[in-house]
Amino acid sequence: DVKVTQSSRYLVKRTGEKVFLECVQDMDHENMFWYRQDPGLGLRLIYFSYDVKMKEKGDIPEGYSVSREKKERFSLILESASTNQTSMYLCASTSDRGTEAFFGQGTRLTVV
Amino acid sequence: DAKTTQPTSMDCAEGRAANLPCNHSTISGNEYVYWYRQIHSQGPQYIIHGLKNNETNEMASLIITEDRKSSTLILPHATLRDTAVYYCIVRGPWETGKLIFGQGTTLQVKP
Repeated sequence: DVKVTQSSRYLVKRTGEKVFLECVQDMDHENMFWYRQDPGLGLRLIYFSYDVKMKEKGDIPEGYSVSREKKERFSLILESASTNQTSMYLCASTSDRGTEAFFGQGTRLTVV
Repeated sequence: DAKTTQPTSMDCAEGRAANLPCNHSTISGNEYVYWYRQIHSQGPQYIIHGLKNNETNEMASLIITEDRKSSTLILPHATLRDTAVYYCIVRGPWETGKLIFGQGTTLQVKP
């Protein structure tokens, strides 16, 4: 019954590496989101996409980019990972019909 | 996008009703109020949403004031498994579909 799948549950990368976080949804949703979550800061929106090849910046896009080549897949890219990008990353999707958002299980990224 | 304000934390006795308030004084006419909860180390889970009428489902009830500037999520008989962070969010227009989460309320259900 999995609806939103993130490629990794835990990930350890080195500073300066290019990192790809993948998210796939099987509900044919138009909208997809990437958040990061840090203690005491709640969920902060990094980027979102409302259609294939369309993207918009969220509140904290610096240091990140995204790719949405297919409707079901939304990738978050850290061009050059830094230690301050160590965090829990959550992907979500929603339809345009006003229904609820579905979240993935999260990826805990550690940059060393 | 409208902002929401929630208390940082609340306690509730097991078996009692938990009433979680949310202020969204700048909500616009076409924006819905959504509630989610996040149990430790998991992604947020949808609970309920509404526009202006009160709503009820198997998990909770949502009471929205007539002026729509605030709402209350009610868990009628809280259990220890309801201990979580509860987020009240306001969903923007469909052309952006932006989902912004605030800090949420940490609900601690105590035996």
